[in-house]
Amino acid sequence: AQSVTQPDIHITVSEGASLELRCNYSYGATPYLFWYVQSPGQGLQLLLKYFSGDTLVQGIKGFEAEFKRSQSSFNLRKPSVHWSDAAEYFCAVGGRLGSSASKIIFGSGTRLSIRP
Amino acid sequence: DTGVSQDPRHKITKRGQNVTFRCDPISEHNRLYWYRQTLGQGPEFLTYFQNEAQLEKSRLLSDRFSAERPKGSFSTLEIQRTEQGDSAMYLCASRPTGGDTQYFGPGTRLTVL
Repeated sequence: AQSVTQPDIHITVSEGASLELRCNYSYGATPYLFWYVQSPGQGLQLLLKYFSGDTLVQGIKGFEAEFKRSQSSFNLRKPSVHWSDAAEYFCAVGGRLGSSASKIIFGSGTRLSIRP
Repeated sequence: DTGVSQDPRHKITKRGQNVTFRCDPISEHNRLYWYRQTLGQGPEFLTYFQNEAQLEKSRLLSDRFSAERPKGSFSTLEIQRTEQGDSAMYLCASRPTGGDTQYFGPGTRLTVL
């Protein structure tokens, strides 16, 4: 079955500290992987995506993620968080273009709080 | 590129009433998706259009739900005889021809009293 697991419901880090949000996926074929961010009252904004190639991908706002096929993981990292990073973060997996699985499957999200 | 827009942003209705939401995708995006997001959860797929054809529907889409995209541009999602369990954020996304990224709108928050 296709699924995404974000084991951390809520994380609090101090401003300026490093961040890692965990994501594990289960997908039968080679997946597309995404991280989205959702601020209160806002829509989902794409942070970064992995389709193929270099397993370390860079995104917007200083975020990066590393695809580890052997661990079925796609963890999101940021070396130094800012108060404006407080939001809900969703990891997601989707099918490759042309496959029957065109929808995106989301994890349940990790809420990030920033300690001043 | 003005982004995906959704209307209304908020809707409060009484149980048993019908509601309709509209989504305008990014211009020339041929694929359009509807998702539902309940509090504390990630979005869940409801249905998907390629141009005007509805190609996939989730089992979450009961017979009270219907979606259309008559001219392959904007889409509507109608919920008939609303129930309190329908209260959620309804998100629309579009995806360009040949592209692999879905772009989301701000959502319509539905509250059923």
